[in-house]
Amino acid sequence: DAGVIQSPRHEVTEMGQEVTLRCKPISGHNSLFWYRQTMMRGLELLIYFNNNVPIDDSGMPEDRFSAKMPNASFSTLKIQPSEPRDSAVYFCASSFGLAGPPEEETQYFGPGTRLLVL
Amino acid sequence: AQTVTQSQPEMSVQEAETVTLSCTYDTSENNYYLFWYKQPPSRQMILVIRQEAYKQQNATENRFSVNFQKAAKSFSLKISDSQLGDTAMYFCAFMDSMYSGGGADGLTFGKGTHLIIQP
Repeated sequence: DAGVIQSPRHEVTEMGQEVTLRCKPISGHNSLFWYRQTMMRGLELLIYFNNNVPIDDSGMPEDRFSAKMPNASFSTLKIQPSEPRDSAVYFCASSFGLAGPPEEETQYFGPGTRLLVL
Repeated sequence: AQTVTQSQPEMSVQEAETVTLSCTYDTSENNYYLFWYKQPPSRQMILVIRQEAYKQQNATENRFSVNFQKAAKSFSLKISDSQLGDTAMYFCAFMDSMYSGGGADGLTFGKGTHLIIQP
């Protein structure tokens, strides 16, 4: 089975440009999570969706960040305008999102997108 | 809010030795999960092992096992017969169980332990 797919794997852009990160969750999974990893702050949850609906976006750093999930198989994380401090690895993860066996609550991660804003 | 603490920023052991990584957490919840994720230089986050809080028996996965002490809120990872491929960052993570109410929840991570296996 295909795991979580993220694109692009690497992105280099200039300050002020719009950046769009993409994620395809594991088929059948109902919950999708966006995390950011930096040296200073470690791994932190940005936002998560259940059944395509945003549930908690309290981790989104500021209004320059937005996330959408138009259908069960696709999500985007957009940064507009980008700044050098947004440089990080952005991970997408998914799970079945149901109260059930432990394996259905476990999150599985994509390979990440390494973003560098110059 | 939950917190996860990994007090060992870096550890180094010889190949074939046994190593234990420490993790403590703080929560007021009763139903939750604890995880260890491995992050090799490729940056991929790989699930190593999972522990359900309602289980008294410690989880094991081949060479990996945990020592889960619920009352002490401690969750250590033991790697036996360490191999060069075990060199990676290891993250301890906490997640509320959906049996606590509500839907899925995000993971809270520790800062990580960089494990180096020396040949």
